[in-house]
Amino acid sequence: EADIYQTPRYLVIGTGKKITLECSQTMGHDKMYWYQQDPGMELHLIHYSYGVNSTEKGDLSSESTVSRIRTEHFPLTLESARPSHTSQYLCASSEAQNTGELFFGEGSRLTVL
Amino acid sequence: RKEVEQDPGPFNVPEGATVAFNCTYSNSASQSFFWYRQDCRKEPKLLMSVYSSGNEDGRFTAQLNRASQYISLLIRDSKLSDSATYLCVVKYQGGKLIFGQGTELSVKP
Repeated sequence: EADIYQTPRYLVIGTGKKITLECSQTMGHDKMYWYQQDPGMELHLIHYSYGVNSTEKGDLSSESTVSRIRTEHFPLTLESARPSHTSQYLCASSEAQNTGELFFGEGSRLTVL
Repeated sequence: RKEVEQDPGPFNVPEGATVAFNCTYSNSASQSFFWYRQDCRKEPKLLMSVYSSGNEDGRFTAQLNRASQYISLLIRDSKLSDSATYLCVVKYQGGKLIFGQGTELSVKP
């Protein structure tokens, strides 16, 4: 089993609230990612990090922000949630060698009312 | 056109059936290829890599055709536990991974 954890697993929140989705891994992986997935649709990369103090935006435009102050921790923040942010957010990590294997957390399912 | 396209599902098959999924990719410079499995409401997990010569892992066989930019996954003697969504994943030079939308498989008794 992969040692990557996401909290909360489920969150229902009102429009305009600030939220932070937590992601932690204990595998010592340098590379971490945030994907967004809607039901029946492909995963879209929204943010990634190749190490501490390194963050980049992914392919899908997102109003969220991320930080990478510690290797094991990669939180995602939405300053003002909107109904269009309703989705599943998946955090993943991988080894530096680019093997193509990503280890995913169980996901955070966000609903914004 | 999507960068990675998979057979639209769902595939509903009886136990013991052989089922094949297809996937095409648009970027001819793609380096590596993978199949991931995603159970309902769970995270994706790597099922197998796809090698140029084709590779087999038990009941699962993956094939790659670079000329046609096509990948396939064959499942023999399907089990109830094979029910899941199968994601085709392509890795570009530089390490970027592109996921297909997935093909759902439902194996019935």
